[in-house]
Amino acid sequence: GAVVSQHPSRVICKSGTSVKIECRSLDFQATTMFWYRQFPKKSLMLMATSNEGSKATYEQGVEKDKFLINHASLTLSTLTVTSAHPEDSSFYICSARGRPFEAFFGQGTRLTVV
Amino acid sequence: GENVEQHPSTLSVQEGDSAVIKCTYSDSASNYFPWYKQELGKRPQLIIDIRSNVGEKKDQRIAVTLNKTAKHFSLHITETQPEDSAVYFCAANQAGTALIFGKGTTLSVSS
Repeated sequence: GAVVSQHPSRVICKSGTSVKIECRSLDFQATTMFWYRQFPKKSLMLMATSNEGSKATYEQGVEKDKFLINHASLTLSTLTVTSAHPEDSSFYICSARGRPFEAFFGQGTRLTVV
Repeated sequence: GENVEQHPSTLSVQEGDSAVIKCTYSDSASNYFPWYKQELGKRPQLIIDIRSNVGEKKDQRIAVTLNKTAKHFSLHITETQPEDSAVYFCAANQAGTALIFGKGTTLSVSS
């Protein structure tokens, strides 16, 4: 099956710093990728839709200047959490659509801001 | 946009019993309804899915039913085992758009 690789799996950073998370589709081209955030014991909440070669579409309530998304190629989307604060600590997970219906998820990134 | 409601939030069953989780969706244009199992700190794992042109699908102990008129779909797990214990999420979308998830159901199977 299709593989989506997300890196890093865990990261601890200091308040005020920025963290970049990468999401790669390894064996297929993904013109669209999706970024989700999941708080402990909660559901996956869609943050934004990443479109190759164009600006990302953010869900209501998600700050586009804080969560920078870049989708520069058909196999790579990045999410940068800028000026991170403890409340940004969460599980971030990307998803790519290789076929019309099925979604493939990355391994997720556990971000802890101290 | 799509909104998915999922019930119950927690479900405890004895080993060998059946478990049923129900979801409703709001967007009549949605045509894909997957179910995921997620273990702590891991990515969601697709366990079964159904498209809008089908009313029921079964895979061994797992089945999903879809009622498009009522806009609800359900996951049925028969002969539950302790290893079925996990968080289960339903989701819905139109092909090509983002999956919208329900709030999840924590299933506990005791032996």
